[in-house]
Amino acid sequence: EVQLVQSGAEVKKPGESLKISCKGSGYSFTTYWIGWVRQMPGKGLEWMGIIYPGDSDTRYSPSFQGQVTISADKSISTAYLQWSSLKASDTAMYYCARKEGAHFAYWGQGTLVTVSS
Amino acid sequence: QSVLTQPPSVSGAPGQRVTISCTGSSSNIGAGYDVHWYQQLPGTAPKLLIYANSNRPSGVPDRFSGSKSGTSASLAITGLQAEDEADYYCQSYDSSLSGSVFGGGTKLTVL
Repeated sequence: EVQLVQSGAEVKKPGESLKISCKGSGYSFTTYWIGWVRQMPGKGLEWMGIIYPGDSDTRYSPSFQGQVTISADKSISTAYLQWSSLKASDTAMYYCARKEGAHFAYWGQGTLVTVSS
Repeated sequence: QSVLTQPPSVSGAPGQRVTISCTGSSSNIGAGYDVHWYQQLPGTAPKLLIYANSNRPSGVPDRFSGSKSGTSASLAITGLQAEDEADYYCQSYDSSLSGSVFGGGTKLTVL
């Protein structure tokens, strides 16, 4: 069974750094792109970027380029989304999802990130 | 503003049929890129509902169907049920952005 399990909720202060994770299981982690999607409170889905764990090829949405870093450690089947300096506007639910063709077939349960002073 | 435009809300009575539109442009849907649909029940992660315009993943009832024409796509839900009350999102690829794009989402209310 394909599963994407994300790390738990985080509460951080503005300016702090953060790295959240997404662990894949039940399939060959290195052969599917993993994407990250943001959902701000009460808002819609926004595509942030994707990574191919096989060779760490990474693509970013122009809206998120330079704002976050996407990475992966294929030895432990885990993808990451990280911030070097959080802002209050980063408060959101973040989902990872496995890409099949052009769609996202499997989704993680989401990680809620709250940034507040 | 989302690259793909959806109505903010639609509603229908149980048993009725509703449709949700997704309008794009010549750099995404109009360029021939497939459209996919997701259902997000309250407090849960999105779930794939329709892929490649009109294909249903295993386990999705045939009450859900998708179509695409020109620069637009549609999701149709027949025999509305209370459990269909959710947010629905379309998704495609945009060549000018070189990445995936989502519609703004449509809230379906079952009256």
